Amino acid sequence: SAVISQKPSRDICQRGTSLTIQCQVDSQVTMMFWYRQQPGQSLTLIATANQGSEATYESGFVIDKFPISRPNLTFSTLTVSNMSPEDSSIYLCSVDAGASSGANVLTFGAGSRLTVL
Amino acid sequence: LAKTTQPISMDSYEGQEVNITCSHNNIATNDYITWYQQFPSQGPRFIIQGYKTKVTNEVASLFIPADRKSSTLSLPRVSLSDTAVYYCLAQYSGGYQKVTFGIGTKLQVIP
Repeated sequence: SAVISQKPSRDICQRGTSLTIQCQVDSQVTMMFWYRQQPGQSLTLIATANQGSEATYESGFVIDKFPISRPNLTFSTLTVSNMSPEDSSIYLCSVDAGASSGANVLTFGAGSRLTVL
Repeated sequence: LAKTTQPISMDSYEGQEVNITCSHNNIATNDYITWYQQFPSQGPRFIIQGYKTKVTNEVASLFIPADRKSSTLSLPRVSLSDTAVYYCLAQYSGGYQKVTFGIGTKLQVIP
C-alpha cells in the first residue's frame, strides 16, 4: 500500500499566522483527502483534493481558511490560515488505497500536530 | 451513509480475546464493513473488511451475520500494544464516496 509522509510532524504556531502542511505519497494517486482530528475527537473530513481540479470542501470548511494545492499525483499541501487556538488539531493526509474487492480503504499519514498559542 | 454505533470504550486484560460490536441497522446493499485502528500520535490504519459471514486475517476476525445489521471485530489474545481506538465504518463499494469516521471504541488493555 501507499506510504505517506507528512511535514511538519508537529509545530507550535502563533495566533494569526498561517502554516502549510505537506503530504507526499510514494505512488501516484488520484484522490487525496485531508482530515482534522481535534483533541480527543474523531476524524473530520476537511476536503477532497483531485489533481488538476479545485478541492471539494466539506460543510464547515472553506477555501479561504484551508487552501489546498494538488500540483501533481503524488503531492498536496493544506494551509491553515490566520490560525486561532481553535485550530489546534492533528491534520491528517489520506489517500485511497484501492481494493482488489469490496470497498476501497484509506491509507493515512502519521499526521501533523498543530498547537496554536 | 450508513450510521454505525459502537461502544465508546472497553477495557480488557492482556491475553484475553476482545470482541467489539458495531451496529449498522441501515446498512446499504453496496456497503462493506471496514475496521480501522488508530494508535496515539498516528493516523488510522486498515485492519479488516467484510461483507457477510466471517473474515479472518493475521490481525483480527470479523463476524457479520446474515442480516448485516451488526458486526463484531474479534482480537485474539490482546497485548498492551493493542491499546488503541477502533473505528467501525460502513463503506460504499460502488465507487468513491467520502469516508466518515464515528467516535470509535477506545480499547484499553490492562496488564
